Amino acid sequence: AQSVTQLGSHVSVSEGALVLLRCNYSSSVPPYLFWYVQYPNQGLQLLLKYTTGATLVKGINGFEAEFKKSETSFHLTKPSAHMSDAAEYFCAVIYSGGYQKVTFGTGTKLQVIP
Amino acid sequence: KAGVTQTPRYLIKTRGQQVTLSCSPISGHRSVSWYQQTPGQGLQFLFEYFSETQRNKGNFPGRFSGRQFSNSRSEMNVSTLELGDSALYLCASSPPIAGGTDTQYFGPGTRLTVL
Repeated sequence: AQSVTQLGSHVSVSEGALVLLRCNYSSSVPPYLFWYVQYPNQGLQLLLKYTTGATLVKGINGFEAEFKKSETSFHLTKPSAHMSDAAEYFCAVIYSGGYQKVTFGTGTKLQVIP
Repeated sequence: KAGVTQTPRYLIKTRGQQVTLSCSPISGHRSVSWYQQTPGQGLQFLFEYFSETQRNKGNFPGRFSGRQFSNSRSEMNVSTLELGDSALYLCASSPPIAGGTDTQYFGPGTRLTVL
């Protein structure tokens, strides 16, 4: 079965440090790729998405992700962490022909240390 | 535009009962998907409706069902509730585009607790 893997269920960074959250997908055909953020007791908010075109995707709140087909990866980065970035982040994919059937990664909880 | 709304936000039921959750998509969106989120299983796809037809279905038992109305509003029903059905149920809507795949916009969820 096709899947998406997020390395690290918990990541801690200092305020102002680089944020790197890893995501790898399993497919020979590049899927549609998304990053969502979830704050406690809330739904999911879209950070950014990759469909086609430019492989470096910029999203909201200073986040960006790079689609690397050779590595089947779509890692999320932010140059400088802010306290408000503390949340859970989900990588998600829609595979070809999957319409809106989204497969989510297991999530990474980001802790930002002051 | 108003976002995706889900009602109720919180629900407490007992084992064996049934429950109906409601989702109103963003105006103009015709695709509605449902997800179950639990600490143990994470986010799992339940089903997707488009123009009142179920277009995709996840691996859940038949106790979980859904429907979509002509105004794109959707309901999901869980019959004979089990303790393991306690979860956050999320609804997401998407605009209609060629090819059928686009960003999903999520509602705040319905927190179901089964006692």
